[in-house]
Amino acid sequence: GQSLEQPSEVTAVEGAIVQINCTYQTSGFYGLSWYQQHDGGAPTFLSYNGLDGLEETGRFSSFLSRSKGYSYLLLKELQMKDSASYFCALQGGFKTIFGAGTRLFVKA
Amino acid sequence: SAVISQKPSRDICQRGTSLTIQCQVDSQVTMMFWYRQQPGQSLTLIATANQGSEATYESGFVIDKFPISRPNLTFSTLTVSNMSPEDSSIYLCSVEGWEEGSQETQYFGPGTRLLVL
Repeated sequence: GQSLEQPSEVTAVEGAIVQINCTYQTSGFYGLSWYQQHDGGAPTFLSYNGLDGLEETGRFSSFLSRSKGYSYLLLKELQMKDSASYFCALQGGFKTIFGAGTRLFVKA
Repeated sequence: SAVISQKPSRDICQRGTSLTIQCQVDSQVTMMFWYRQQPGQSLTLIATANQGSEATYESGFVIDKFPISRPNLTFSTLTVSNMSPEDSSIYLCSVEGWEEGSQETQYFGPGTRLLVL
């Protein structure tokens, strides 16, 4: 089976850097993605790691280590609008499995 | 990217009734996915819908409760049958896609917020 673990909440200060971790147990997958969801909105794609290592897109970076069953999302120069829920998700096998989500609170 | 619309955006229904949610995509796609999301919770896959075949349901979800139609490559419906308050949730339609040609992703509709009294 597949399961993903994330912290339920993270709080950080505006302008800071925050890391949201995701650990997983699975028998196989193609890649791991991160999604952002604001209250009342739909999930939107942030990043995808098909291979081990770091992927960077603007203020967001994501890292994957398949041998350790571990990924993280790094958000730099935090802004108030980054307050949202963040989900890691395993992609592959004709379906996507989502983690429980991490609620990020950005304080002024 | 894909643009997905859902109707209705929200509804309040009486228990025992049924509601059909429509999902329209702006491009032809092979697979469409239906998710449920309780407030503050993760997304749970209900079923995968392929055009021309029966939907594939995940554990805990059955066709009698959540019948799905997929008449063509751009449209699908999900019906929530014989509703109870436990069915109150957000229902999301989704399709697969690729960002920048190499990043596998899913695009989501805006969701249908259902409240069952």
